[in-house]
Amino acid sequence: QKEVEQDPGPLSVPEGAIVSLNCTYSNSAFQYFMWYRQYSRKGPELLMYTYSSGNKEDGRFTAQVDKSSKYISLFIRDSQPSDSATYLCAMRGQGAQKLVFGQGTRLTINP
Amino acid sequence: ETGVTQTPRHLVMGMTNKKSLKCEQHLGHNAMYWYKQSAKKPLELMFVYNFKEQTENNSVPSRFSPECPNSSHLFLHLHTLQPEDSALYLCASSQDILGGVEKLFFGSGTQLSVL
Repeated sequence: QKEVEQDPGPLSVPEGAIVSLNCTYSNSAFQYFMWYRQYSRKGPELLMYTYSSGNKEDGRFTAQVDKSSKYISLFIRDSQPSDSATYLCAMRGQGAQKLVFGQGTRLTINP
Repeated sequence: ETGVTQTPRHLVMGMTNKKSLKCEQHLGHNAMYWYKQSAKKPLELMFVYNFKEQTENNSVPSRFSPECPNSSHLFLHLHTLQPEDSALYLCASSQDILGGVEKLFFGSGTQLSVL
């Protein structure tokens, strides 16, 4: 079983839709949860960062962590064509040096 | 120039060639990383350097040889590669070694094709 599972997609939605991206994980020691966005021919850039459980909101983006279910989500409201990218979840434990990544979900927002 | 810069952006090499990838960070960070990104696979950590000292080698074959002359520069020397080594090679940096709330900043990567 992979430590982090993420549906690779592709996921295609119309502009303005609410997008939900998800990852599940098996290691209960994970404490830090991140979402990276990677545009084509670019490196990943940090989008959202959450410690432990709960929600975090930044503009149109909301990150949720449910540690009891070992499940994290990224919601994008009022999606725009510029949100088209691959979204990578990543996580690690307290004091751990290694960041474990999901496979990435390729998202396309259609005008 | 700011951020993490990688050169070259694209590289095509034969299995008997020797080439090097270069990474430079302008963020004043102390830790630098090499990652491999293959299609439909998660990012794979290859090497970690902290204050120029290698702290992790993630069971990487010896045909990949890293070099970190200072905290701002990182190289990946390549020799006698295999076609399955074709991938996007990403350099990253962080203020200090990951442990608390440190965050990774990535370069745009070098797309490597081994023929």
